[in-house]
Amino acid sequence: QAQLQESGPGLVKPSQTLSLTCAVSGDSIASGGYSWNWIRLPAGKGLEWIGRIYGRGTANYNPSLESRVTMSVDTSKNQLSLELRSVTAADTAIYFCARGTSRWFDPWGQGILVTVSS
Amino acid sequence: QSALTQPASVSGSPGQSITISCTGTSSDVGNYDLVSWYQHHPGKAPKLMIYEANKRPSGLSDRFSGSKSGNTASLTISGLQAEDEADYYCCSYGGSATWLFGGGTKLTVL
Repeated sequence: QAQLQESGPGLVKPSQTLSLTCAVSGDSIASGGYSWNWIRLPAGKGLEWIGRIYGRGTANYNPSLESRVTMSVDTSKNQLSLELRSVTAADTAIYFCARGTSRWFDPWGQGILVTVSS
Repeated sequence: QSALTQPASVSGSPGQSITISCTGTSSDVGNYDLVSWYQHHPGKAPKLMIYEANKRPSGLSDRFSGSKSGNTASLTISGLQAEDEADYYCCSYGGSATWLFGGGTKLTVL
């Protein structure tokens, strides 16, 4: 049973870089069978897919965020990371990581609230 | 790419059935059977409820069902129970290795 857990700073200043990590247990990122995704939920809005990465490092990003996003994997630690640059208040959200295929996202982590504020 | 359109809220009494719609376009919902639905209780991890428009994950109650017609997908919950009260989100493959979500629907069990 795969489990995912997000971690990182809960507060980021405007114009700085948001950096989060997702630790995976019960499955191997390196196995290549699944994609590993970041999805966010801004307060009062719907979910937004940020992007996905495979164990070999191939990534795809939401076109609306692509210029500011970088995802990476560390197979030795079995974790994935998210960097979102030049953040503004609009990037305040709960950030989730989730295992995925073309058909579904499952399971998800519980999410981490990141607030962008000075 | 725009988010998929869902009603902001729906409600029903215990034992009743409700349906949540999810409207996209011919480029996403209408072009692929890759629609999934997620239940989210605030503070918890979202849970997969339906995938490929009408398939249930193993072990999920058959009170949950999905369908799709044209550019609109639907999630139906029958025999409403108090624990079904949550936010529900639809998701569709949008082509070119991208995914779109709906704005979410808050289900209230009266």
